[in-house]
Amino acid sequence: DTAVSQTPKYLVTQMGNDKSIKCEQNLGHDTMYWYKQDSKKFLKIMFSYNNKELIINETVPNRFSPKSPDKAHLNLHINSLELGDSAVYFCASKTLVSAQYFGPGTRLLVL
Amino acid sequence: QQQVKQSPQSLIVQKGGISIINCAYENTAFDYFPWYQQFPGKGPALLIAIRPDVSEKKEGRFTISFNKSAKQFSLHIMDSQPGDSATYFCAASMSSGTYKYIFGTGTRLKVLA
Repeated sequence: DTAVSQTPKYLVTQMGNDKSIKCEQNLGHDTMYWYKQDSKKFLKIMFSYNNKELIINETVPNRFSPKSPDKAHLNLHINSLELGDSAVYFCASKTLVSAQYFGPGTRLLVL
Repeated sequence: QQQVKQSPQSLIVQKGGISIINCAYENTAFDYFPWYQQFPGKGPALLIAIRPDVSEKKEGRFTISFNKSAKQFSLHIMDSQPGDSATYFCAASMSSGTYKYIFGTGTRLKVLA
């Protein structure tokens, strides 16, 4: 199936831990994004990479560090997790002429 | 200038009725306006999109109306069905630069059977 996939789907962890979320797209897109969706459903962009280069870096705590090993992958590492990091994190991708296609989300719960 | 204002926050419609969700933007450089549909536990999925060179675009029961001078656009769902119950997001973007989407705050639609 052609799609944007994310792992894991669910992540439950303790405050202070470090965790990573992975995203892969097989759509041949060259731009990838990370979004955070809070409990009120608001979609907030965090980062974007185009051809492995960071092009969007919103006001996000530096505990969040994205990494794009190649055009098809964009990972998100979070250090020293806090309660407020609990949210659903979505990966998305697009080409120059396409809309953004979203992954299924990673539900992060920090206890 | 970067905001997209979406209303209403929530909407309840009877089956067979028309659902209307409105969005307004300020930045005249925006030239791409997609609508996304999100079901609980799923990622947002592209529903329909429009560029400002047309005033209306229709795909099945879904229609976008676009008013360039008023800087407003709206989603109309005709013959609304219970299966349309979801959260809808409008967005605005520029076809250059970072291709960043500015999303509206979402509308939770419930269609009663």
